[in-house]
Amino acid sequence: DAGITQSPRHKVTETGTPVTLRCHQTENHRYMYWYRQDPGHGLRLIHYSYGVKDTDKGEVSDGYSVSRSKTEDFLLTLESATSSQTSVYFCAIKGLAGNTGELFFGEGSRLTVL
Amino acid sequence: TQLLEQSPQFLSIQEGENLTVYCNSSSVFSSLQWYRQEPGEGPVLLVTVVTGGEVKKLKRLTFQFGDARKDSSLHITAAQTGDTGLYLCAGADNYGQNFVFGPGTRLSVLP
Repeated sequence: DAGITQSPRHKVTETGTPVTLRCHQTENHRYMYWYRQDPGHGLRLIHYSYGVKDTDKGEVSDGYSVSRSKTEDFLLTLESATSSQTSVYFCAIKGLAGNTGELFFGEGSRLTVL
Repeated sequence: TQLLEQSPQFLSIQEGENLTVYCNSSSVFSSLQWYRQEPGEGPVLLVTVVTGGEVKKLKRLTFQFGDARKDSSLHITAAQTGDTGLYLCAGADNYGQNFVFGPGTRLSVLP
């Protein structure tokens, strides 16, 4: 158990509304990631963080923003949700196995945008 | 952009059969990982391979990293129904900071 909690686990919202997903870790890991998972695409990186207030974009960052004001929390915000952002969102932290590391994932947040 | 392809996309076999799934790329990765994901859960790491030509075994699962560190295979011997799931490969960049995932192979092992 890597101590990762995602909230909410399920959310239904309407197009144009803001949405924030939260990822909380209890083990003080430096690297945190937000991925989205869609059929046929596997996991695609949205944003990642390498420390407090240090974040960078992934391959599918358009329409998303992130914040990391504390080591333990990494927030993903959809400023104005669109139907194309309907997906399952996974937060991950990188373990400390040298340079290779390994990713520990949360249980996912299923978002439906109507 | 580094891309990973996986084949086959879907695989349905009978319990006791052997199978191999593949992960291929035109890019070189510093390491490659295999994850298994069950419905409603996040992926869980099975193995990390680092050295070209490396072979790792995990009970009935055998993982191989290509000599050029661009591809990998996962072989399952005598599949069991508990092996059912989505198998994802992921390549790490040179710094081990970012991971690119393949689209996955969805395996169904029937009793």
